[in-house]
Amino acid sequence: KQEVTQIPAALSVPEGENLVLNCSFTDSAIYNLQWFRQDPGKGLTSLLLIQSSQREQTSGRLNASLDKSSGRSTLYIAASQPGDSATYLCAVRPHNYGQNFVFGPGTRLSVLP
Amino acid sequence: EPEVTQTPSHQVTQMGQEVILRCVPISNHLYFYWYRQILGQKVEFLVSFYNNEISEKSEIFDDQFSVERPDGSNFTLKIRSTKLEDSAMYFCASTILRAETQYFGPGTRLLVL
Repeated sequence: KQEVTQIPAALSVPEGENLVLNCSFTDSAIYNLQWFRQDPGKGLTSLLLIQSSQREQTSGRLNASLDKSSGRSTLYIAASQPGDSATYLCAVRPHNYGQNFVFGPGTRLSVLP
Repeated sequence: EPEVTQTPSHQVTQMGQEVILRCVPISNHLYFYWYRQILGQKVEFLVSFYNNEISEKSEIFDDQFSVERPDGSNFTLKIRSTKLEDSAMYFCASTILRAETQYFGPGTRLLVL
């Protein structure tokens, strides 16, 4: 059964820092992986989707990488801003289990002005 | 930009009552999902729906739950007899193709008393 973990659970950084959020999954047979942002009490906003055949995806200040063989993905945020403060969720779609995502517990990020 | 909408945003109900949560997916999307997030816990998959039938469901999605697409726009989740442990945020999501980005709605916060 696929399990997804995220490290660290929480992170606090000063504005302007570059940072890396980590996601690990136990079964490398994945279909794709998606990073989301969740603001308190709100829904999930899709950030980046990486297909299993891809190594990375970029959108603005965000870069997500995927190393399927080691069961890892990282989300790199450049030049962090207070508006980046949120919980970041990693979700893996297992290859053999249909269409559902398995979510990690998230990393709660605080960017201090 | 098209978005997934959900109603109501909040619902309070008594244990044993039926509730219906409503979602309007993005109009040209073909795959529809329900997820839930109990306070402080991971987002969990409930059910996926394609071509007017359930394509996959999790162990959580027992006989108390049902989904329906009653017309060309709405997608509903019904809980027949609510339990205290059904209290959670319920998210609807949709995607145009199975391998593509899932777009989430803002959620319905359900509180069962």
